[in-house]
Formats: sequence, C-alpha cells, structure tokens
Amino acid sequence: NAGVTQTPKFQVLKTGQSMTLQCAQDMNHEYMSWYRQDPGMGLRLIHYSVGAGITDQGEVPNGYNVSRSTTEDFPLRLLSAAPSQTSVYFCASSEQGFNSPLHFGNGTRLTVT
Amino acid sequence: AQSVTQLGSHVSVSEGALVLLRCNYSSSVPPYLFWYVQYPNQGLQLLLKYTSAATLVKGINGFEAEFKKSETSFHLTKPSAHMSDAAEYFCAVKGTGTASKLTFGTGTRLQVTL
Repeated sequence: NAGVTQTPKFQVLKTGQSMTLQCAQDMNHEYMSWYRQDPGMGLRLIHYSVGAGITDQGEVPNGYNVSRSTTEDFPLRLLSAAPSQTSVYFCASSEQGFNSPLHFGNGTRLTVT
Repeated sequence: AQSVTQLGSHVSVSEGALVLLRCNYSSSVPPYLFWYVQYPNQGLQLLLKYTSAATLVKGINGFEAEFKKSETSFHLTKPSAHMSDAAEYFCAVKGTGTASKLTFGTGTRLQVTL
C-alpha cells in the first residue's frame, strides 16, 4: 500500500520562483489537506478539500493555491516563493467523518533563499 | 473554534520511567481527540483516538490516554519509556464545522535517556 505519496522530498527555491508540490493518495479518501510544520508552531492547515472540485482555505492560505481535479491528487502551488514559506509541508488524507484519522505523507522540506 | 494546548515543548525521562505528555482541549461540543507521533524525518502516525466510546483509550506501542471532561484533558501516558519512544508527539482535535478538519497542538518532544 502506497498510502499518501508526496514529491519532491526536498526542494530549494529562490525568492519569486514558483513550484508545485505533488500529493497523491490511493485509498479513495474524499478528504485531503495540506499542512505546514514550523518549529514551535505545530502543524497549521493551509488548504483542504472535501472532494473532487471542492477546495477551501485553512488557517494560513496566503501565497498558496490548490486544486482538486481528481479524488487521488491534491497539488499545492506556490505562486511566488518567499523566505517565510521555508517549512516542511505535509499532505494528509482521510475518509469523511469525525472519527476518521488523517493519513500523512512523509513531507516535503522546502527552503526559499 | 476548537483548540488544544500541549504543556511542555520538551519532556525528558529515563528509560523505564513513566511517560506523561499533557494535552488540554477547548471545544464547545464533545470533541474528537487524537494523538500522533512523528519520528525524525517522517510524517505523522496515529497513536490513538478518542471518539466517546470509552474514556480510557489504548493505542499502539503501549501508549494510552484518558479523556477527562471535568478537566478538559486528554493526557498521553506510557508506564515504562523505551529509547525507541523518543519522538515528537502531537495532540489534535476535531470539533464542529467541516467534519475532517484537524487542529494540532504545538507538539512535545520526548527525550529518553539511559
């Protein structure tokens, strides 16, 4: 079982560059989400989706775009990278429902110089 | 909105000693609570979850947590720490609104010494 797959694992960008972080899941989960993890701040929700064609903003959406054209894929786009976006990014998915746990990918470590 | 507070960003215990990691929640409705563990350079793994079926919840790797409504707490414990327990632990809560949105605490890094 692949679970949640994130690519790339590491990325270095220059300020102003754009890129897309890829996320795919093979569990047929309706819910997918992106978090960023920064020291001392835990995980903060960037964007989430409750199904194909539906996305919504989380706690820290500025500077990021998402789309959900299929159930399996949920890419995160950085439009114009800034040093403040240096972070570790995690994609997670779950079945809908209050007691359904999130399944996480292994993360993408992004550095913006 | 629901939230969780983890007391203590770093906890150090000796191997064989009791592990106690604290989590308090804030929610206007009965919460769904989770503990996750993150090993270095990995994603988060589910340790256990509380979904109102029982107040004492047993998870993987010998961990358990007790839901105490009167104290709004969901502390994580393990009777005897092992070196392999060294990791970062996150408490998280779901409440009202979009069913699957999960709000995390700031994490507690557990160090286990010989």
